[in-house]
Amino acid sequence: GQQLNQSPQSMFIQEGEDVSMNCTSSSIFNTWLWYKQDPGEGPVLLIALYKAGELTSNGRLTAQFGTTRKDSFLNISASIPSDVGIYFCAGGNSWGKLQFGAGTQVVVTP
Amino acid sequence: ETGVTQTPRHLVMGMTNKKSLKCEQHLGHNAMYWYKQSAKKPLELMFVYSLEERVENNSVPSRFSPECPNSSHLFLHLHTLQPEDSALYLCASSQDSGRPLHFGNGTRLTVT
Repeated sequence: GQQLNQSPQSMFIQEGEDVSMNCTSSSIFNTWLWYKQDPGEGPVLLIALYKAGELTSNGRLTAQFGTTRKDSFLNISASIPSDVGIYFCAGGNSWGKLQFGAGTQVVVTP
Repeated sequence: ETGVTQTPRHLVMGMTNKKSLKCEQHLGHNAMYWYKQSAKKPLELMFVYSLEERVENNSVPSRFSPECPNSSHLFLHLHTLQPEDSALYLCASSQDSGRPLHFGNGTRLTVT
């Protein structure tokens, strides 16, 4: 089956630093999504990407849909304490068959 | 209320109990999903309903039984579960024309 590899698994950063994480797939996707999950809550959509090469920003977050359609990355600039959480990538070709990464745990220290 | 609401938030049940998880969406979406989330593992799709018809059953054991009485409500009926079924169960909804999933806050299930 399709495999999504998300890295890093976790990262400890200082407030103000930039964060970068990525996902790679063994298969081609038509869509890449990035979600954030806070403790005790469900995942919340951050950015949706629908076109190869697309670069989209949402505040301090920037995500790109890789040109090969097999990868995507998420950058967070100038991290703040509320950026703490687990970030998930998801790729798919139909909404009923999204594949999720295992998540990147981000810890921000003052 | 807005969004996707799941109840209960926490559930502890014995292996011989029968319980149900409830999900309600107020977004006007026409597709609903059940996912299982275990620690440090990718979300696992369990069931998909589109226009109240089950369109996906991802090899889920029969001790999990979904029900979708209308496009706004989704249930997951549980019976004779195993301890390894302990996890966070997430409900989600979407417009099946190609919009991303919107998740509820989940039910934290513990099977003793």
